[in-house]
Amino acid sequence: AQSVTQLDSQVPVFEEAPVELRCNYSSSVSVYLFWYVQYPNQGLQLLLKYLSGSTLVESINGFEAEFNKSQTSFHLRKPSVHISDTAEYFCAVSAYNFNKFYFGSGTKLNVKP
Amino acid sequence: DVKVTQSSRYLVKRTGEKVFLECVQDMDHENMFWYRQDPGLGLRLIYFSYDVKMKEKGDIPEGYSVSREKKERFSLILESASTNQTSMYLCASRYRGAANEKLFFGSGTQLSVL
Repeated sequence: AQSVTQLDSQVPVFEEAPVELRCNYSSSVSVYLFWYVQYPNQGLQLLLKYLSGSTLVESINGFEAEFNKSQTSFHLRKPSVHISDTAEYFCAVSAYNFNKFYFGSGTKLNVKP
Repeated sequence: DVKVTQSSRYLVKRTGEKVFLECVQDMDHENMFWYRQDPGLGLRLIYFSYDVKMKEKGDIPEGYSVSREKKERFSLILESASTNQTSMYLCASRYRGAANEKLFFGSGTQLSVL
């Protein structure tokens, strides 16, 4: 079975500061990895994903995540955050040839002016 | 654009009522999911359907059942609603292609059981 751990339930940060949201997973098989974002009062939307190839993946709004197989991690980073990045971020994993998606417990990013 | 539609945004029911949550997708996806989202617990999988009339239990199926009579529609049923089923319910459908995969979510149904 697969599982996902997001160690930080809340991350407060000032605008224009860098941020890292941590995600670790466990799986006995190869996986796909995802970050989803949920803005206040909205549904979940895909932020970025790792399926294969380059271990560094980027989103259109400046976030990036790096797949680290040896550390079983997929941390999300942004060098300079904006107020508009305030949201809850969920890390998720699915496995090749398996049907289920597993989500972490979420990290609330609160960007302060 | 892909669309996953959940029939109700807010729902208030009484303990013991039978509750139906409906979800429709317009993308001809085979896989559909029902999750519940609770603060601090993230998204927990209730049921999954991998094709019409095919279903699989998730991590927390107790007190729930599902129905998938047509490919586009996946229904979650609370046989006898209880207060601990007060939650946000999220439906999703999955696109799975060659070396590509993505979940599309509905906007959610906030269910309150009184």
